[in-house]
Amino acid sequence: DAGITQSPRHKVTETGTPVTLRCHQTENHRYMYWYRQDPGHGLRLIHYSYGVKDTDKGEVSDGYSVSRSKTEDFLLTLESATSSQTSVYFCAISGLDTLTDTQYFGPGTRLTVL
Amino acid sequence: AQSVAQPEDQVKVAEGNPLTVKCTYSVSGNPYLFWYVQYPNRGLQFLLKYITGDNLVKGSYGFEAEFNKSQTSFHLKKPSALVSDSALYFCAVRDSSGAGSYQLTFGKGTKLSVIP
Repeated sequence: DAGITQSPRHKVTETGTPVTLRCHQTENHRYMYWYRQDPGHGLRLIHYSYGVKDTDKGEVSDGYSVSRSKTEDFLLTLESATSSQTSVYFCAISGLDTLTDTQYFGPGTRLTVL
Repeated sequence: AQSVAQPEDQVKVAEGNPLTVKCTYSVSGNPYLFWYVQYPNRGLQFLLKYITGDNLVKGSYGFEAEFNKSQTSFHLKKPSALVSDSALYFCAVRDSSGAGSYQLTFGKGTKLSVIP
């Protein structure tokens, strides 16, 4: 999975609790992304980062925040988890050319919010 | 706005037969097109991409795709399907004009089943 790890790989939590997912890369890539995958929706972009402390919103950013204090780590936080955030979350990375470079994906985190 | 459609939720093909997974797109500028495959409980794996040049792109595991600008399509093909090709396939597009903020938009996926 292209030097990308995600932790935890599985998590069950309760509505209203905060949750943080971690993405770690060893490729020194500039761009990092968080997606969610839901049946019938494909993958949808939550947030992305184009450098340390540089982040921007994606298509479905409500209820999520991110932080990137080091090149290798990109954190996704659900401040107060809701059942609608039950999903599989994927981190991806890409290199310098955001237009043409391929995005490579991590193994995913399956999150269940009860 | 950029968009991509995979018109078939599921495709079934017999082992040894050719397979096609369809993808059409809509962008304002020039398209950058990608195909990914996802096996159960795994992340997405990159198969191939079209940026510019030859309309026929060859990728991993014997897959290829043909870019057709007039039909706004980028169908994924393989001459002879294997049972191990059974997986979920995603097409994705990025608009060179920046209309989609240079981000990838994914289709909803097509489940390919190769029957022994």
